Amino acid sequence: NAGVTQTPKFQVLKTGQSMTLQCAQDMNHNSMYWYRQDPGMGLRLIYYSASEGTTDKGEVPNGYNVSRLNKREFSLRLESAAPSQTSVYFCASSEEELASFYEQYFGPGTRLTVT
Amino acid sequence: GNSVTQMEGPVTLSEEAFLTINCTYTATGYPSLFWYVQYPGEGLQLLLKATKADDKGSNKGFEATYRKETTSFHLEKGSVQVSDSAVYFCALSDPTGSGGSNYKLTFGKGTLLTVNP
Repeated sequence: NAGVTQTPKFQVLKTGQSMTLQCAQDMNHNSMYWYRQDPGMGLRLIYYSASEGTTDKGEVPNGYNVSRLNKREFSLRLESAAPSQTSVYFCASSEEELASFYEQYFGPGTRLTVT
Repeated sequence: GNSVTQMEGPVTLSEEAFLTINCTYTATGYPSLFWYVQYPGEGLQLLLKATKADDKGSNKGFEATYRKETTSFHLEKGSVQVSDSAVYFCALSDPTGSGGSNYKLTFGKGTLLTVNP
């Protein structure tokens, strides 16, 4: 039982390049999330998917797109990377979307640097 | 809107010292409160939570009490270990409040704790 897995662990991009961050969970959870973590900022929600087939914007969605490929997988795409997107990205999942009741489980993160 | 304020770090303690990390919140509804921990190189893990006023969350020797009158949820541990070295995040979920939603967790900025042997 691996929990939430993310690939890659590290990535360096040049400005304007594109890439997709992959996330998968094996806990049969309905809801999945993408966060970014910046120094001194805590975690901010980029996008979330309450259930398979649905996605919605979080606090900081600009410059990102997501795909809920199936119940297990939720990918985050940067179409044209910018230095402001240098961050650590975390994927999370929960049984249902009610955050006050259902624990969110986090992956180990992807450290992305855009030069 | 909702917000969480936690004490600035870093915090450096010796093993077996008493730990307090302060957390205060602003919310318009009836939030649930959480402490998450992030060990070096890992993702966040839920440490403890409290869903209503006067509830005490506890886990692994850590405790926090939901104080509505002071809008606080301070994290405490009586005797820290080197293995407690990590970043600690206070967070809230307030689906009933103005602008709240089911999915949203609002995080504080995090407090780095280092425990020396």
